[in-house]
Amino acid sequence: GAGVSQSPRYKVTKRGQDVALRCDPISGHVSLYWYRQALGQGPEFLTYFNYEAQQDKSGLPNDRFSAERPEGSISTLTIQRTEQRDSAMYRCASSLWTGPYEQYFGPGTRLTVT
Amino acid sequence: SQQGEEDPQALSIQEGENATMNCSYKTSINNLQWYRQNSGRGLVHLILIRSNEREKHSGRLRVTLDTSKKSSSLLITASRAADTASYFCATDGDFGNEKLTFGTGTRLTIIP
Repeated sequence: GAGVSQSPRYKVTKRGQDVALRCDPISGHVSLYWYRQALGQGPEFLTYFNYEAQQDKSGLPNDRFSAERPEGSISTLTIQRTEQRDSAMYRCASSLWTGPYEQYFGPGTRLTVT
Repeated sequence: SQQGEEDPQALSIQEGENATMNCSYKTSINNLQWYRQNSGRGLVHLILIRSNEREKHSGRLRVTLDTSKKSSSLLITASRAADTASYFCATDGDFGNEKLTFGTGTRLTIIP
């Protein structure tokens, strides 16, 4: 079956613009996670959802970052007033449920803020 | 912040040899997972070990967990060129908090 998909794969934006990154999880997966990965580092947790409920947003760096999953499927991570330090790979993952389940990662969105 | 640290940061071995990489973490965990990331691509889950397990096998992979030392090791036997990748350990935290905290990764290069 289809894996986790993300769009766009690459996004170049000017500083100060807003961006929206989309994640389409594996069908039937309850849990959806957002991570950010800097070059040469492991992914860092941003936020996660069970169904449409945001369970933990402790990893969001500041209030310019927000995420939603209104119908419990597709999720959008929005960054307002982008800054150069926001440049990174943004990865989405989904799992069948929360708990000791493997997470399936999407290909990521490479965001570059100029 | 990164929970774990992999050791070594980089490892190069000849094809056919065994590769061992280690992960240390800081806080109590319920489960520890290992993921592989090929250059420029997504992360793929390899194996999960629970905090009450000491060793687990999957194909050519062997994972150990020592909760008293807060450390884990991943052994890849009979390495192949396709094993060239970065390997990350990831831990969860308190029960009910399933976010994963990843280590810094070990870059493994298999020399044909």
